[in-house]
Amino acid sequence: AQRVTQPEKLLSVFKGAPVELKCNYSYSGSPELFWYVQYSRQRLQLLLRHISRESIKGFTADLNKGETSFHLKKPFAQEEDSAMYYCALNVDFGNEKLTFGTGTRLTIIP
Amino acid sequence: GAGVSQSPRYKVAKRGQDVALRCDPISGHVSLFWYQQALGQGPEFLTYFQNEAQLDKSGLPSDRFFAERPEGSVSTLKIQRTQQEDSAVYLCASSLRTSGGKDTQYFGPGTRLTVL
Repeated sequence: AQRVTQPEKLLSVFKGAPVELKCNYSYSGSPELFWYVQYSRQRLQLLLRHISRESIKGFTADLNKGETSFHLKKPFAQEEDSAMYYCALNVDFGNEKLTFGTGTRLTIIP
Repeated sequence: GAGVSQSPRYKVAKRGQDVALRCDPISGHVSLFWYQQALGQGPEFLTYFQNEAQLDKSGLPSDRFFAERPEGSVSTLKIQRTQQEDSAVYLCASSLRTSGGKDTQYFGPGTRLTVL
Protein backbone atom coordinates (compact mmCIF):
# COMPACT_ATOMS: atom_id res chain seq x y z
CA ALA A 1 0.00 0.00 0.00
CA GLN A 2 1.08 3.55 -0.60
CA ARG A 3 2.58 5.59 2.20
CA VAL A 4 3.60 9.19 2.84
CA THR A 5 6.37 10.09 5.28
CA GLN A 6 7.00 13.53 6.71
CA PRO A 7 10.06 13.07 8.93
CA GLU A 8 9.79 16.37 10.80
CA LYS A 9 6.91 16.88 13.18
CA LEU A 10 8.12 20.36 14.09
CA LEU A 11 10.22 22.85 12.13
CA SER A 12 11.22 26.35 13.24
CA VAL A 13 12.73 28.82 10.79
CA PHE A 14 13.66 32.47 11.13
CA LYS A 15 11.76 35.00 9.06
CA GLY A 16 13.56 35.59 5.79
CA ALA A 17 15.38 32.25 5.89
CA PRO A 18 14.71 29.45 3.38
CA VAL A 19 12.17 26.79 4.22
CA GLU A 20 12.15 23.14 3.18
CA LEU A 21 9.47 20.72 4.36
CA LYS A 22 10.35 17.15 3.52
CA CYS A 23 7.97 14.58 2.05
CA ASN A 24 8.79 11.07 0.85
CA TYR A 25 6.36 8.56 -0.51
CA SER A 26 6.31 4.86 -1.25
CA TYR A 27 4.48 3.81 -4.37
CA SER A 28 5.79 2.00 -7.41
CA GLY A 29 3.64 3.77 -9.97
CA SER A 30 3.03 7.42 -10.83
CA PRO A 31 1.08 9.09 -8.07
CA GLU A 32 -0.29 12.56 -7.92
CA LEU A 33 1.23 14.56 -5.06
CA PHE A 34 -0.25 17.43 -3.07
CA TRP A 35 0.60 19.79 -0.26
CA TYR A 36 -2.26 20.82 2.03
CA VAL A 37 -1.99 23.55 4.67
CA GLN A 38 -3.98 24.29 7.79
CA TYR A 39 -3.57 27.76 9.29
CA SER A 40 -4.54 28.37 12.90
CA ARG A 41 -8.30 28.02 13.41
CA GLN A 42 -8.89 27.45 9.71
CA ARG A 43 -9.81 24.39 7.72
CA LEU A 44 -7.49 22.22 5.68
CA GLN A 45 -6.92 23.66 2.22
CA LEU A 46 -4.95 22.78 -0.88
CA LEU A 47 -1.68 24.65 -1.23
CA LEU A 48 -0.37 23.12 -4.43
CA ARG A 49 -0.32 19.97 -6.55
CA HIS A 50 2.58 18.71 -8.61
CA ILE A 51 0.75 18.51 -11.93
CA SER A 52 0.00 22.24 -11.81
CA ARG A 53 3.66 23.18 -11.51
CA GLU A 54 2.60 26.44 -9.88
CA SER A 55 4.16 28.60 -7.24
CA ILE A 56 1.60 29.42 -4.56
CA LYS A 57 2.39 32.00 -1.89
CA GLY A 58 6.02 31.66 -2.92
CA PHE A 59 6.06 27.90 -2.31
CA THR A 60 7.16 25.36 -4.90
CA ALA A 61 7.47 21.59 -4.85
CA ASP A 62 9.13 19.33 -7.39
CA LEU A 63 8.29 15.67 -7.77
CA ASN A 64 11.49 13.61 -7.79
CA LYS A 65 10.52 10.12 -8.89
CA GLY A 66 14.04 8.77 -8.43
CA GLU A 67 14.10 9.75 -4.77
CA THR A 68 10.30 9.39 -4.37
CA SER A 69 10.20 12.83 -2.81
CA PHE A 70 8.03 15.91 -3.05
CA HIS A 71 9.69 18.46 -0.79
CA LEU A 72 8.05 21.86 -0.29
CA LYS A 73 10.33 24.89 -0.55
CA LYS A 74 10.21 28.63 -0.13
CA PRO A 75 13.27 30.85 -0.45
CA PHE A 76 12.28 33.47 2.15
CA ALA A 77 9.96 32.53 5.00
CA GLN A 78 7.26 34.94 6.15
CA GLU A 79 5.49 35.01 9.50
CA GLU A 80 2.17 34.17 7.86
CA ASP A 81 3.65 30.85 6.70
CA SER A 82 3.34 29.46 10.23
CA ALA A 83 0.89 26.58 9.90
CA MET A 84 0.50 22.80 9.77
CA TYR A 85 1.54 21.31 6.44
CA TYR A 86 0.46 17.91 5.13
CA CYS A 87 1.84 16.07 2.15
CA ALA A 88 -0.66 13.77 0.42
CA LEU A 89 -0.88 11.49 -2.57
CA ASN A 90 -3.49 9.92 -4.79
CA VAL A 91 -2.79 6.75 -6.77
CA ASP A 92 -6.18 5.81 -8.16
CA PHE A 93 -7.29 8.14 -10.86
CA GLY A 94 -10.82 6.78 -10.73
CA ASN A 95 -11.02 7.40 -6.99
CA GLU A 96 -9.51 10.60 -5.71
CA LYS A 97 -9.04 9.51 -2.10
CA LEU A 98 -5.95 10.95 -0.51
CA THR A 99 -3.27 9.32 1.63
CA PHE A 100 -1.79 11.89 4.01
CA GLY A 101 1.44 12.13 5.93
CA THR A 102 1.46 12.93 9.63
CA GLY A 103 2.16 16.60 9.02
CA THR A 104 4.83 19.15 9.90
CA ARG A 105 4.13 22.14 12.10
CA LEU A 106 6.09 25.07 10.72
CA THR A 107 6.80 28.00 13.00
CA ILE A 108 8.37 31.16 11.62
CA ILE A 109 10.39 33.02 14.21
CA PRO A 110 10.12 36.81 13.83
CA GLY B 1 -21.41 30.18 -2.09
CA ALA B 2 -20.70 28.63 1.28
CA GLY B 3 -18.04 26.01 1.71
CA VAL B 4 -18.40 22.51 3.11
CA SER B 5 -20.20 22.57 6.43
CA GLN B 6 -20.28 19.94 9.14
CA SER B 7 -22.42 19.51 12.23
CA PRO B 8 -22.12 19.24 15.09
CA ARG B 9 -18.70 20.85 15.45
CA TYR B 10 -18.15 19.09 18.76
CA LYS B 11 -19.70 15.91 20.08
CA VAL B 12 -19.15 14.20 23.40
CA ALA B 13 -20.49 10.68 23.68
CA LYS B 14 -20.44 8.07 26.39
CA ARG B 15 -18.90 4.79 25.40
CA GLY B 16 -21.54 2.62 23.81
CA GLN B 17 -23.68 5.47 22.48
CA ASP B 18 -24.50 5.88 18.81
CA VAL B 19 -23.57 9.14 17.05
CA ALA B 20 -24.42 10.71 13.70
CA LEU B 21 -22.22 13.27 12.01
CA ARG B 22 -23.52 15.40 9.17
CA CYS B 23 -21.77 16.85 6.13
CA ASP B 24 -23.19 19.43 3.72
CA PRO B 25 -20.96 19.54 0.64
CA ILE B 26 -20.59 22.46 -1.69
CA SER B 27 -23.66 22.65 -3.91
CA GLY B 28 -23.16 20.71 -7.14
CA HIS B 29 -20.16 18.76 -5.95
CA VAL B 30 -20.35 15.17 -7.11
CA SER B 31 -17.66 13.56 -4.98
CA LEU B 32 -17.76 13.39 -1.21
CA PHE B 33 -15.10 11.97 1.12
CA TRP B 34 -14.92 11.21 4.83
CA TYR B 35 -11.60 11.18 6.69
CA GLN B 36 -10.73 10.44 10.30
CA GLN B 37 -7.94 12.42 11.96
CA ALA B 38 -6.63 11.15 15.27
CA LEU B 39 -4.63 13.47 17.52
CA GLY B 40 -1.17 14.13 16.10
CA GLN B 41 -1.88 12.24 12.90
CA GLY B 42 -2.79 13.14 9.35
CA PRO B 43 -6.29 12.54 8.01
CA GLU B 44 -7.03 8.92 7.10
CA PHE B 45 -9.49 7.98 4.39
CA LEU B 46 -12.74 6.36 5.48
CA THR B 47 -15.13 6.32 2.53
CA TYR B 48 -15.97 7.94 -0.82
CA PHE B 49 -19.23 8.73 -2.60
CA GLN B 50 -19.90 9.71 -6.15
CA ASN B 51 -23.40 11.19 -6.07
CA GLU B 52 -25.40 8.71 -3.97
CA ALA B 53 -23.21 5.72 -4.77
CA GLN B 54 -20.70 4.65 -2.15
CA LEU B 55 -17.82 3.58 -4.35
CA ASP B 56 -15.18 2.92 -1.71
CA LYS B 57 -15.66 2.08 1.96
CA SER B 58 -12.33 0.35 2.41
CA GLY B 59 -11.20 2.77 5.12
CA LEU B 60 -14.10 2.21 7.52
CA PRO B 61 -12.40 0.68 10.57
CA SER B 62 -15.22 -1.64 11.60
CA ASP B 63 -18.82 -2.54 10.89
CA ARG B 64 -19.79 -0.05 13.59
CA PHE B 65 -19.12 2.68 11.04
CA PHE B 66 -21.72 3.38 8.39
CA ALA B 67 -22.03 6.24 5.89
CA GLU B 68 -24.79 7.25 3.54
CA ARG B 69 -25.62 9.93 1.01
CA PRO B 70 -29.12 8.99 -0.09
CA GLU B 71 -29.89 11.93 -2.38
CA GLY B 72 -26.40 12.62 -3.58
CA SER B 73 -25.97 15.74 -1.48
CA VAL B 74 -25.90 15.67 2.33
CA SER B 75 -24.01 12.78 3.87
CA THR B 76 -24.19 11.25 7.33
CA LEU B 77 -21.49 9.23 9.03
CA LYS B 78 -22.91 7.04 11.77
CA ILE B 79 -20.90 5.32 14.45
CA GLN B 80 -22.65 2.69 16.54
CA ARG B 81 -21.62 1.65 20.04
CA THR B 82 -18.83 4.22 20.18
CA GLN B 83 -15.49 3.24 21.69
CA GLN B 84 -12.74 5.43 23.11
CA GLU B 85 -10.55 4.73 20.08
CA ASP B 86 -13.20 6.43 17.93
CA SER B 87 -12.24 9.79 19.47
CA ALA B 88 -10.93 11.89 16.60
CA VAL B 89 -11.77 14.74 14.26
CA TYR B 90 -13.96 13.58 11.40
CA LEU B 91 -13.40 15.57 8.23
CA CYS B 92 -15.66 15.75 5.22
CA ALA B 93 -14.45 16.94 1.81
CA SER B 94 -16.17 17.43 -1.52
CA SER B 95 -15.02 17.95 -5.07
CA LEU B 96 -16.68 18.85 -8.34
CA ARG B 97 -15.34 15.92 -10.38
CA THR B 98 -15.27 17.52 -13.81
CA SER B 99 -14.94 14.99 -16.62
CA GLY B 100 -11.32 14.06 -17.15
CA GLY B 101 -10.16 16.53 -14.57
CA LYS B 102 -8.46 16.20 -11.25
CA ASP B 103 -10.44 18.31 -8.89
CA THR B 104 -9.54 20.01 -5.67
CA GLN B 105 -11.02 18.55 -2.51
CA TYR B 106 -12.55 21.23 -0.29
CA PHE B 107 -12.60 20.35 3.37
CA GLY B 108 -15.11 21.15 6.05
CA PRO B 109 -14.16 22.36 9.53
CA GLY B 110 -14.52 18.87 10.99
CA THR B 111 -16.46 17.36 13.87
CA ARG B 112 -14.42 16.67 16.98
CA LEU B 113 -15.76 13.51 18.61
CA THR B 114 -14.76 12.68 22.16
CA VAL B 115 -15.83 9.34 23.58
CA LEU B 116 -15.71 9.12 27.37
